[in-house]
Amino acid sequence: DSGVTQTPKHLITATGQRVTLRCSPRSGDLSVYWYQQSLDQGLQFLIQYYNGEERAKGNILERFSAQQFPDLHSELNLSSLELGDSALYFCASSVDTGRNSPLHFGNGTRLTVT
Amino acid sequence: GDSVTQMEGPVTLSEEAFLTINCTYTATGYPSLFWYVQYPGEGLQLLLKATKADDKGSNKGFEATYRKETTSFHLEKGSVQVSDSAVYFCALITISNFGNEKLTFGTGTRLTIIP
Repeated sequence: DSGVTQTPKHLITATGQRVTLRCSPRSGDLSVYWYQQSLDQGLQFLIQYYNGEERAKGNILERFSAQQFPDLHSELNLSSLELGDSALYFCASSVDTGRNSPLHFGNGTRLTVT
Repeated sequence: GDSVTQMEGPVTLSEEAFLTINCTYTATGYPSLFWYVQYPGEGLQLLLKATKADDKGSNKGFEATYRKETTSFHLEKGSVQVSDSAVYFCALITISNFGNEKLTFGTGTRLTIIP
C-alpha cells in the first residue's frame, strides 16, 4: 500500500461530459503529480502541484484542469470528454520536489468514455 | 528534449532465467535515473534508482547501473520468479534552467514469467 488514495476506481461516462478525479497523497507528502496512462501514449505527465501551488505542467489539455487544496488533496477535472480521453489516470505524491524524492503512486482511476 | 527509450515488450521468460530490460536516455545535464514497477491492478512503485554516474541501484534482486558513457540504465536480475511478472518503467528526472524538475517515463516493458 503506497498510502496514496485515488477515487473513484472506475468511471464510465459519455462524450461531452465532465468528471472529477480525486487524490489524497501520502501523509506528509506536499507534492502531487497527475499522470495519464494509455496503451498508445504510455505514461504521460500532466501536471504537478507543490503545497497548493502549480509547480510544473506537462502534456495537459486545456479541457483538463487540476488543483491542490489546503489539506493537500488534489482534484483533476476533465471536461468536454472525448473517446480518446479513455485511459488510466494516476496520481502520485512525494515529500518534496527534489530529484531524489521518490514518487508514490496510487492505484489509478480508470476512465471510460463512451 | 528529454526522452527515455525502453526495449519493446512483451518479454516472456521461464522461471529462473536471466533478465535484462534495456533502457537508454537522452537528457541535458545530469539526470537521476529510476526503474518503476507496476504489478497487475496496482499503481507504480519505485523499484530502484541511481543519482549519478557509475551508481548501482538495487532492490529485490534487481540491479541497474548508471552508465553515462553509453547513456544507459539497463535493468537486470539473475533469476526471475513468477511474482516478477509486471510492467517495468524506466524514468529520469532532469532540472530545467528555471529550476523545475521534469520526470520523463519510458513506455514500459511488460514482463511475463512462466513456471
